[in-house]
Amino acid sequence: DVAMTQSPLSLPVTLGQPASISCRSSQSLVHSDGNTYLNWFQQRPGQSPRRLIYKVSNRDSGVPDRFSGSGSGTDFTLKISRVEAEDVGIYYCMQGSYWPTFGQGTKVEIK
Amino acid sequence: DVQLVESGGDLVQPGGSLRLSCAASGFAFSTYWMSWVRQAPGKGLEFVANIKDDGSVKNYVGSVKGRFTISRDNARNSVSLQMDSLRAEDTAVYYCARDPFFSSFDSWGPGTLVTVSS
Repeated sequence: DVAMTQSPLSLPVTLGQPASISCRSSQSLVHSDGNTYLNWFQQRPGQSPRRLIYKVSNRDSGVPDRFSGSGSGTDFTLKISRVEAEDVGIYYCMQGSYWPTFGQGTKVEIK
Repeated sequence: DVQLVESGGDLVQPGGSLRLSCAASGFAFSTYWMSWVRQAPGKGLEFVANIKDDGSVKNYVGSVKGRFTISRDNARNSVSLQMDSLRAEDTAVYYCARDPFFSSFDSWGPGTLVTVSS
């Protein structure tokens, strides 16, 4: 299975400041069809996961534009341009190019 | 609006069985793959199983193969997970998720808790 490794696992951030989460895969996520099926999910405390980003950089409807995804091959990043209180939660990367696997999760909290 | 609502979670003894259901509404259910994803207490997310839109293809994570069975009823807009020979390590919140393509789970239910304990 493709291993997904996130860093950091804990991310204390000051309100209004940027945040960045890294996700690395154990092999390239470029599918034979040319697409890269890398998603980002947000799980707020006590809630079910919510997809934020699909295919590396496509933001879901209703997701604030302060969230952005980037990367290619094996290295991917989720960035929050200015963290707000409602962004507290755990963020997971997940690949669907092969048997689906998730990263360990990164806990974002306010300093 | 897309809605997914799981049910059937309970406390069950090791070796026991449980059937989870997920009722879907607000979208053309019969045109989507559907998946189950679980989350053990305080842990991360794990893909469990998925089923093709017409039910002809089913996939399972290795740890549940031979014990869990996924099925769907497109006439009733529902997907189920039959869980047999349950183990303590199956204890988790089980989420039903819609899969528009390549496990890009775009909608999730609130989850249902399965606890396997004597």
